[in-house]
Amino acid sequence: GEDVEQSLFLSVREGDSSVINCTYTDSSSTYLYWYKQEPGAGLQLLTYIFSNMDMKQDQRLTVLLNKKDKHLSLRIADTQTGDSAIYFCAESIGGSYIPTFGRGTSLIVHP
Amino acid sequence: IAGITQAPTSQILAAGRRMTLRCTQDMRHNAMYWYRQDLGLGLRLIHYSNTAGTTGKGEVPDGYSVSRANTDDFPLTLASAVPSQTSVYFCASSDSASGPTDTQYFGPGTRLTVL
Repeated sequence: GEDVEQSLFLSVREGDSSVINCTYTDSSSTYLYWYKQEPGAGLQLLTYIFSNMDMKQDQRLTVLLNKKDKHLSLRIADTQTGDSAIYFCAESIGGSYIPTFGRGTSLIVHP
Repeated sequence: IAGITQAPTSQILAAGRRMTLRCTQDMRHNAMYWYRQDLGLGLRLIHYSNTAGTTGKGEVPDGYSVSRANTDDFPLTLASAVPSQTSVYFCASSDSASGPTDTQYFGPGTRLTVL
């Protein structure tokens, strides 16, 4: 099965919160990442979390990690149209920091 | 400072032809990577290089080769292109592959169509 799984689409209204979910299979994951890809562009690292952390907050972004359930989420508060993009969950394992990516979740923000 | 550049932006190629995708970074990063992005499959690592003179295979290396003669350049070659290699190709670089804060910086991508 997939190492990193995400739902493919999420649609939210402008101003609402968005929650993008991800599950991973390898319990030895060391770091988990969220990347953003805007249309026609490459990926940009948004944030990452070490596997011994439960939560990380950075301005409008909140990352929650449930290590028991191998579940990672990205919450975007006050979602704006500029947040419309594809969001990739990724993990790296052990001594390698080369991330393995999920398929990406397309976030659509509508007025 | 350009960061990381890729050429060409897009290319249509006949099956069986040889093609080299170029990637150059001016950040003096040690590590460089090639990914392909396919609809519904996310990004898959083709090859990587931790430092000039070394390369390694990723998840989907077959049909591709790379070289790393210097720090700045990391070309990806398709020796004999096949239609299944139709994809968007992203080059990335990072200061090293030894820590999570060694952020990967991505190029703008090359859209390749093999007919």
